[in-house]
Amino acid sequence: GAGVSQSPRYKVAKRGQDVALRCDPISGHVSLFWYQQALGQGPEFLTYFQNEAQLDKSGLPSDRFFAERPEGSVSTLKIQRTQQEDSAVYLCASSLAASGSYEQYFGPGTRLTVT
Amino acid sequence: DAKTTQPPSMDCAEGRAANLPCNHSTISGNEYVYWYRQIHSQGPQYIIHGLKNNETNEMASLIITEDRKSSTLILPHATLRDTAVYYCIVRVELFAGGSEKLVFGKGMKLTVNP
Repeated sequence: GAGVSQSPRYKVAKRGQDVALRCDPISGHVSLFWYQQALGQGPEFLTYFQNEAQLDKSGLPSDRFFAERPEGSVSTLKIQRTQQEDSAVYLCASSLAASGSYEQYFGPGTRLTVT
Repeated sequence: DAKTTQPPSMDCAEGRAANLPCNHSTISGNEYVYWYRQIHSQGPQYIIHGLKNNETNEMASLIITEDRKSSTLILPHATLRDTAVYYCIVRVELFAGGSEKLVFGKGMKLTVNP
C-alpha cells in the first residue's frame, strides 16, 4: 500500500522567504511526527500530532516554525523568514496508534536549501 | 540526548553475517531497544525492536544481553543493499497515553563490500 509521502522533495528558498512542506501520512495512522535532519546527523524531533491535536512542539527551534494537521490527516510544516541554518532534510513519520510499541513509518523527506 | 552508543562505522563482506553492536547502559526496565536504518537519500526504516528477549523477523535478529546494557543487531546474510546508517534507539516514553518520539544518535555506517 501507499507509504508516507512528502512534497516537494526538494525546495530551494532565498533567505527570508516562507516555505510550506507537506506530509501525507499512511491512511488511518493516528500519530504524526516531524523531524529535522542536518547533514551527517541523525534526525531530530520537532513536533508530534495525535490526530489533529499537537501534543508536543518542544523540538521546534524557533517561533518561525509552525506545524498543523487540521483534519487529522495531512500535515504542513511552515517555516517563516527562512535562514541558512534551516537548511536540512525535513522528515515526516506516522504510526498507527497513539500508544504502544508501534513503529514509525517515514517519508522520503524534503530537502530544504536556503540560499 | 541519545541514550545509546555505537561505533561510527563498520565494514562487512557480502554474504557474511553483519553484527552491529550497541551499548545502552542506562536503559530503564520498561524501555525497548529499537533499530532503524537509513539508506542514502531515504527516510529511516524500522527493522526490529525488543525488550529483553531475543527477537527475529524477516529482516534481522536482535540479541539483548541479560543485563540489557547492550544489544547486537544481526543481519544474517548481508547484501549490498544493506549498506546504510543503522540507528540503535532506546524508546523514550514522552506522552502519557501517547506515542513516543524517537531520539536518534549519529548511528553507525555499515558498508557491505562485494
